[in-house]
Amino acid sequence: DTGVSQDPRHKITKRGQNVTFRCDPISEHNRLYWYRQTLGQGPEFLTYFQNEAQLEKSRLLSDRFSAERPKGSFSTLEIQRTEQGDSAMYLCASSFPGQFFGPGTRLTVL
Amino acid sequence: DAKTTQPPSMDCAEGRAANLPCNHSTISGNEYVYWYRQIHSQGPQYIIHGLKNNETNEMASLIITEDRKSSTLILPHATLRDTAVYYCIVRVVNSGYALNFGKGTSLLVTP
Repeated sequence: DTGVSQDPRHKITKRGQNVTFRCDPISEHNRLYWYRQTLGQGPEFLTYFQNEAQLEKSRLLSDRFSAERPKGSFSTLEIQRTEQGDSAMYLCASSFPGQFFGPGTRLTVL
Repeated sequence: DAKTTQPPSMDCAEGRAANLPCNHSTISGNEYVYWYRQIHSQGPQYIIHGLKNNETNEMASLIITEDRKSSTLILPHATLRDTAVYYCIVRVVNSGYALNFGKGTSLLVTP
């Protein structure tokens, strides 16, 4: 247990539905990252926060994706109008400075 | 960040040393070598990192060549629980940049 928690651990949804994931980082960590991992691939960077500021977004983060980190504490990642291609493991990591990963949320879009 | 090259898979007998190689020929002077591993269905776990000197901790040893173009992660006495995908990553230490994982090496430790 790294101290980073994610909720839910598993999510099954139908295509077109919206989903929201939550990440609770280690409390004193000011940096928070979201990654996506598909089967057989390493994690791919989605977005990064320093405190409450979203500093970087990858091209993988389409308009249907939005992430927030209010008050620089927990973070949420929302996917609107889910597609089957969104099925993946969504990983959160917090950093000060080394990155510690949560267990991930596995999303299945039917 | 510089790119890394790792073999896609390796086997190791339980109790023996596992030596996982990584090539990073374009590494810059301010980039460190990091190793993470990911056990099936879990998030990645930090193992070790180094700049140019060899490093050792309770999990593993990291040997970096003098020209820093390659490195080897050594698990001295591999156990079945070391079966995982191992990722070699180079990046500037303490930077805010995300980790570039690549595909890693899938290590299978056999009884």
